[in-house]
Amino acid sequence: GDSVTQMEGPVTLSEEAFLTINCTYTATGYPSLFWYVQYPGEGLQLLLKATKADDKGSNKGFEATYRKETTSFHLEKGSVQVSDSAVYFCALRSISNFGNEKLTFGTGTRLTIIP
Amino acid sequence: DTGVSQNPRHKITKRGQNVTFRCDPISEHNRLYWYRQTLGQGPEFLTYFQNEAQLEKSRLLSDRFSAERPKGSFSTLEIQRTEQGDSAMYLCASSPIELGESGNTIYFGEGSWLTVV
Repeated sequence: GDSVTQMEGPVTLSEEAFLTINCTYTATGYPSLFWYVQYPGEGLQLLLKATKADDKGSNKGFEATYRKETTSFHLEKGSVQVSDSAVYFCALRSISNFGNEKLTFGTGTRLTIIP
Repeated sequence: DTGVSQNPRHKITKRGQNVTFRCDPISEHNRLYWYRQTLGQGPEFLTYFQNEAQLEKSRLLSDRFSAERPKGSFSTLEIQRTEQGDSAMYLCASSPIELGESGNTIYFGEGSWLTVV
């Protein structure tokens, strides 16, 4: 079945450091890929997405490129801020026989940015 | 606020009691999902509705769980005879059906925390 493996945390960085959170996936076909962010006590917010190979998703300074050859979708940001502290989830979307656009999530990576 | 709305946000219940959560999706979103998230894990799919039809259920959804979406708008998730292992955050999400769009966004609510004591 589909699965997502992402870098285990927690990850602690200083403000303005470079961030990479690794994500690889296993899926049949060509899934769409997503990064969601979860701030303390809140639900999931979509951060960025890519729907086909070589697409780059970007938002709020974060970027991720859909790499089919390495089945990866690593999240990067050039200069992190304290406000980026959250849990980040990589996810893939597959479509079932019932038309269900089901998301399969990784276990999440907790990011803490210290001033 | 036009986002996905869930209530109650927090529920503490004794083992063996029944609980019900409600989800109001984004207006005109045909698709509605329930996910469960336990501490330190990513959300796991529970069930999916297209309009009022429940089209798919995960094996995670035991017989004690039932979900409805009677008029194709709001949905309820009921857990009967709760067990401590049911303690988790229950997330509702919705998305539109847009023909020809391959990157539909699934929007999540803030979740309903359940603690079974």
